[in-house]
Amino acid sequence: RKEVEQDPGPFNVPEGATVAFNCTYSNSASQSFFWYRQDCRKEPKLLMSVYSSGNEDGRFTAQLNRASQYISLLIRDSKLSDSATYLCVVSLGGGSQGNLIFGKGTKLSVKP
Amino acid sequence: DAGITQSPRHKVTETGTPVTLRCHQTENHRYMYWYRQDPGHGLRLIHYSYGVKDTDKGEVSDGYSVSRSKTEDFLLTLESATSSQTSVYFCASTQGSYEQYFGPGTRLTVT
Repeated sequence: RKEVEQDPGPFNVPEGATVAFNCTYSNSASQSFFWYRQDCRKEPKLLMSVYSSGNEDGRFTAQLNRASQYISLLIRDSKLSDSATYLCVVSLGGGSQGNLIFGKGTKLSVKP
Repeated sequence: DAGITQSPRHKVTETGTPVTLRCHQTENHRYMYWYRQDPGHGLRLIHYSYGVKDTDKGEVSDGYSVSRSKTEDFLLTLESATSSQTSVYFCASTQGSYEQYFGPGTRLTVT
């Protein structure tokens, strides 16, 4: 089983739509969770961290379910500028400082 | 954004030649990482460093070596490049939180 699995997409949505991405991870000792965004031919950049209580940043909401080892990202009122690949990222447990496992990414294309 | 640069940004080389990629950061971050990104695989860790002269292997370290003689510089060397090492290479750094800051990447083609 892959350590971090995501639906690769692509998700093609119209402007203004709400879109949700899901991610599952296999290592139950994982301690920290993130969503990164990667634009075409660019480097990944942190979008937001994911907390057990859920967290929101403007149009973006992230949720974590530790029991199911499941992470989600909800984007409301999609903008053209949201078009990118979204990477689900999980830390290795056990003190591996800063070592992250990246999912392969979900591609989002927002159309006018 | 963290000040992290990579050089060269693009390189074409022949099979069997040695190649060194450089990562330079101006944030005084303790931890530095080298990843490769390939279609269908996502980002995979090659090597990482947790301090000057302290390095360790990642998931796909075979055929690669690294060195870190100064906090700001982390070098990745392909001792004898192979076509399977054609990839986009990203360097990243962090001070201690899990947020990693990435460089712009190096596109390496091995012919």
